[in-house]
Amino acid sequence: DQQVKQNSPSLSVQEGRISILNCDYTNSMFDYFLWYKKYPAEGPTFLISISSIKDKNEDGRFTVFLNKSAKHLSLHIVPSQPGDSAVYFCAASSAGNQFYFGTGTSLTVIP
Amino acid sequence: DVKVTQSSRYLVKRTGEKVFLECVQDMDHENMFWYRQDPGLGLRLIYFSYDVKMKEKGDIPEGYSVSREKKERFSLILESASTNQTSMYLCASSLINPVGSPYEQYFGPGTRLTVT
Repeated sequence: DQQVKQNSPSLSVQEGRISILNCDYTNSMFDYFLWYKKYPAEGPTFLISISSIKDKNEDGRFTVFLNKSAKHLSLHIVPSQPGDSAVYFCAASSAGNQFYFGTGTSLTVIP
Repeated sequence: DVKVTQSSRYLVKRTGEKVFLECVQDMDHENMFWYRQDPGLGLRLIYFSYDVKMKEKGDIPEGYSVSREKKERFSLILESASTNQTSMYLCASSLINPVGSPYEQYFGPGTRLTVT
């Protein structure tokens, strides 16, 4: 049973606009969340994380929001750039060293 | 910079063959992981190891085994390859954190395995 879900397999956004990628989870014990970015033929690379004690974490153009009551997190990319085109995975952990990954959202930023 | 390398980028094997996938990390990480990535299913954990000679089953260990004889090396073994094991295999490593938030994982480039 998928504990971390990304319900949008793909997303297209115009360059310069905001990209919003969503992720839902079912396990209320999850307390640490990450986003990874994956280009074709490469392994995923870490992008940004958030602990459950926070509801927002920002790093440059990337911001992650966490809504614990809704068991929902989102990644905002502003402004979107063509180089952001990739598959984005969210992942969650419950104070252990194992992460559960979502199914991924393929983002295309149109120049 | 952490570097995780995998022995092959592409591999083609026949049904029933024994397959070895090797992974090496150079940052003295305690944790190592093997995932497979399939369309629509995301990354699924096969096995992980938190120390030499230690292993834990992930979500889909059936048909696989692992070996960790040295801290830097983690091998995934397909005892008798089957066509449903055709997939992208990703190795990752991370520092261990016994308390508090876990550390992010660093991934290798992946091995695209095709079983015919």
